Amino acid sequence: ETGVTQSPTHLIKTRGQQVTLRCSSQSGHNTVSWYQQALGQGPQFIFQYYREEENGRGNFPPRFSGLQFPNYSSELNVNALELDDSALYLCASSFRVGRGEDTQYFGPGTRLTVL
Amino acid sequence: QKEVEQDPGPLSVPEGAIVSLNCTYSNSAFQYFMWYRQYSRKGPELLMYTYSSGNKEDGRFTAQVDKSSKYISLFIRDSQPSDSATYLCATQRGDSSYKLIFGSGTRLLVRP
Repeated sequence: ETGVTQSPTHLIKTRGQQVTLRCSSQSGHNTVSWYQQALGQGPQFIFQYYREEENGRGNFPPRFSGLQFPNYSSELNVNALELDDSALYLCASSFRVGRGEDTQYFGPGTRLTVL
Repeated sequence: QKEVEQDPGPLSVPEGAIVSLNCTYSNSAFQYFMWYRQYSRKGPELLMYTYSSGNKEDGRFTAQVDKSSKYISLFIRDSQPSDSATYLCATQRGDSSYKLIFGSGTRLLVRP
């Protein structure tokens, strides 16, 4: 167990709705990254938050947004859900000091189904 | 072309076999290389983390990086049925870009 927790475990939404996913990072970690994993694929980077600011973003539209809170927990918000948003959403936490390595530990994920 | 290529398998081996899992990558800027294990419907679990070229061993697992050929390997000795999972290789630039870039994963089945 990594100590990274995510909620909810499963979620079913309909197209056009909005969803918020939550992540609690491992104790002592200051950075949270979010990934989307479609069935049979590797995780795709959505964005990363470091010290409450977005620090890098993957190839995802603006309807994917996030927040990091002072306790380093994080939220991923997705507006105007599309069928293709159905996937496992993974949160990873890490401790960054500066430039260099960033060892990321993953939570169990939230499985989102869009109907 | 994907930045990290990985054979999806499935790879089926008998218990006790030596398993070899491989990835290739295209960007010479990648400095950090990881292997994650993912059981069905679970999050990825970090197995091995290496910097630049060379070998790293941890118990039954050995990770190997050859930057000259842009080739990453994971070897599993004395494989067990509990090793049955999807194995994901990942790379990271290690400069201002901290995102992990994953391969698509290789499914491994270790038969009792």
